[in-house]
Amino acid sequence: AQSVTQLDSHVSVSEGTPVLLRCNYSSSYSPSLFWYVQHPNKGLQLLLKYTSAATLVKGINGFEAEFKKSETSFHLTKPSAHMSDAAEYFCVVSRYNQGGKLIFGQGTELSVKP
Amino acid sequence: KAGVTQTPRYLIKTRGQQVTLSCSPISGHRSVSWYQQTPGQGLQFLFEYFSETQRNKGNFPGRFSGRQFSNSRSEMNVSTLELGDSALYLCASRQALAGDYEQYFGPGTRLTVT
Repeated sequence: AQSVTQLDSHVSVSEGTPVLLRCNYSSSYSPSLFWYVQHPNKGLQLLLKYTSAATLVKGINGFEAEFKKSETSFHLTKPSAHMSDAAEYFCVVSRYNQGGKLIFGQGTELSVKP
Repeated sequence: KAGVTQTPRYLIKTRGQQVTLSCSPISGHRSVSWYQQTPGQGLQFLFEYFSETQRNKGNFPGRFSGRQFSNSRSEMNVSTLELGDSALYLCASRQALAGDYEQYFGPGTRLTVT
């Protein structure tokens, strides 16, 4: 079985400050892990993915995440928030190499203050 | 390359009716998955189709069904609509069933059941 827990339902940061969105996972299999972003009234966009290669994964728009097996975590970070980063972020797990069924976390809403 | 398209974008139905939603995958993509997004339950996997066969199924009642055509286009059907079926239905496509392939999401169909 697989599951994902996003530890914060809402995170608020000031523009220019670091972003940290936390995610813990549980998986009986070798996992693939993803972060998706959803802007209001838009579809989901992949930010980055981990699929058993490098544990530090770099994504689009300056985001990165580190896979820590010992902590079963996959936290998303960005050094400096931009107003356009305000959106809903989803941590997602699937079974490695069988990614058709994605298991989503409950989402973290990121607000960015000017 | 055109993205994943879903039609219609918005739909209002009455309880007890049935509805059919359509998804056209990215050209060359043969796997199509469907997800339901609600404020209470979040994003949940419905099913995945590949080569006109359902390959994976989520935990939804039999009122939810789907099919895939030879051109990889997919339809999802919900019969005997209930108020709780009001949701954003997202379709995603990827190149193949197995392997490290990203899922690309469409903009969704917003279904309102009254």
